[in-house]
Amino acid sequence: GAVVSQHPSWVICKSGTSVKIECRSLDFQATTMFWYRQFPKQSLMLMATSNEGSKATYEQGVEKDKFLINHASLTLSTLTVTSAHPEDSSFYICSARGQNRVLAFFGQGTRLTVV
Amino acid sequence: DAKTTQPPSMDCAEGRAANLPCNHSTISGNEYVYWYRQIHSQGPQYIIHGLKNNETNEMASLIITEDRKSSTLILPHATLRDTAVYYCIVRGFGNEKLTFGTGTRLTIIP
Repeated sequence: GAVVSQHPSWVICKSGTSVKIECRSLDFQATTMFWYRQFPKQSLMLMATSNEGSKATYEQGVEKDKFLINHASLTLSTLTVTSAHPEDSSFYICSARGQNRVLAFFGQGTRLTVV
Repeated sequence: DAKTTQPPSMDCAEGRAANLPCNHSTISGNEYVYWYRQIHSQGPQYIIHGLKNNETNEMASLIITEDRKSSTLILPHATLRDTAVYYCIVRGFGNEKLTFGTGTRLTIIP
């Protein structure tokens, strides 16, 4: 399958600071990227969908000013958690889909811990 | 997208076939059935997908009933590395989102 790389794999930050997570599609052009969040023992919850060059579409209840998503190229999307708080600690996972719109591939996830 | 129902957990002996069921009784004609799995602390891994015909790849087989209201993922010779949460997802072609349910936690027993 196609390769999606997410960086960093884990990050610890202080409360009130911002953290940026990168998601790259290494061997295909990702016209659409998705960001998910997963709390312990729960399933993946979609946060937002972004198409290259367009503003992201956020799911209900997700604060767009807190979770900034940029999808400026066909191989890179970033999620910035602004003014992070301990309740933002979670496993963040990106997914990318190419123009064929059939399959989506996932990054390895980023474990964010806010202290 | 149609909702899916999966058993919360299953056990399977190592070396045996693991058969994971999924009910999607409200599936519509243009919706595909996708299977992903998530090994602990990793991102989901694509396994297989199908529309109405049975499918097989190097990882698994997907059996879809004739009325398309249910399907079964078959891992032919389960290994310990197959221990994971398996998600059955139904999505229409062209629909943007993959919506995850609670999945089935499969444990392979030595």
